[in-house]
Amino acid sequence: RKEVEQDPGPFNVPEGATVAFNCTYSNSASQSFFWYRQDCRKEPKLLMSVYSSGNEDGRFTAQLNRASQYISLLIRDSKLSDSATYLCVVKPGGYNKLIFGAGTRLAVHP
Amino acid sequence: GAVVSQHPSWVICKSGTSVKIECRSLDFQATTMFWYRQFPKQSLMLMATSNEGSKATYEQGVEKDKFLINHASLTLSTLTVTSAHPEDSSFYICSARDYYTDTQYFGPGTRLTVL
Repeated sequence: RKEVEQDPGPFNVPEGATVAFNCTYSNSASQSFFWYRQDCRKEPKLLMSVYSSGNEDGRFTAQLNRASQYISLLIRDSKLSDSATYLCVVKPGGYNKLIFGAGTRLAVHP
Repeated sequence: GAVVSQHPSWVICKSGTSVKIECRSLDFQATTMFWYRQFPKQSLMLMATSNEGSKATYEQGVEKDKFLINHASLTLSTLTVTSAHPEDSSFYICSARDYYTDTQYFGPGTRLTVL
């Protein structure tokens, strides 16, 4: 079983749509959780951290369910510029390293 | 925000040669840097954790004699791919951890093509 699992997609949605991505992780001792965005042939960039209480940043909302070991990202009012691969990232407890999911591809069309 | 640079951004080399990739943290000191490899349409795979002044810690399955890592200063880590082969062609990305904010910042990556 992979440490971090994501639906690879692609998700093809029209502009203005709401889209949700899910992610599960296997290590129950994981401490920190993140969503990164990666554009084609570029490095990943931090989109947002994910907190137990849930957090929102503009059109983006992240949720964490520790009991189910499940993380989600909701994007509202999708823009063309949101087209990218979204990476679910987990930091195991006691380590500095990050474990990346394979990513979910999002394509927003006019 | 903090910036991490990588050099070169791309390199093409012949099979059997060695290639060195540099990773620099430009405005913060990074006691820990990480090296990743990403094949097309796959996730980033951590290759090794580089600690300043000590030996790197390699992930399972990564050959330490083939991928030499040096972290001689708080702002510079290097990855040398020795005796490169076509199967080593990949996107190599480094990241640097800012100790005070515990945030990892990624370099722009180096695309290696081995002919």
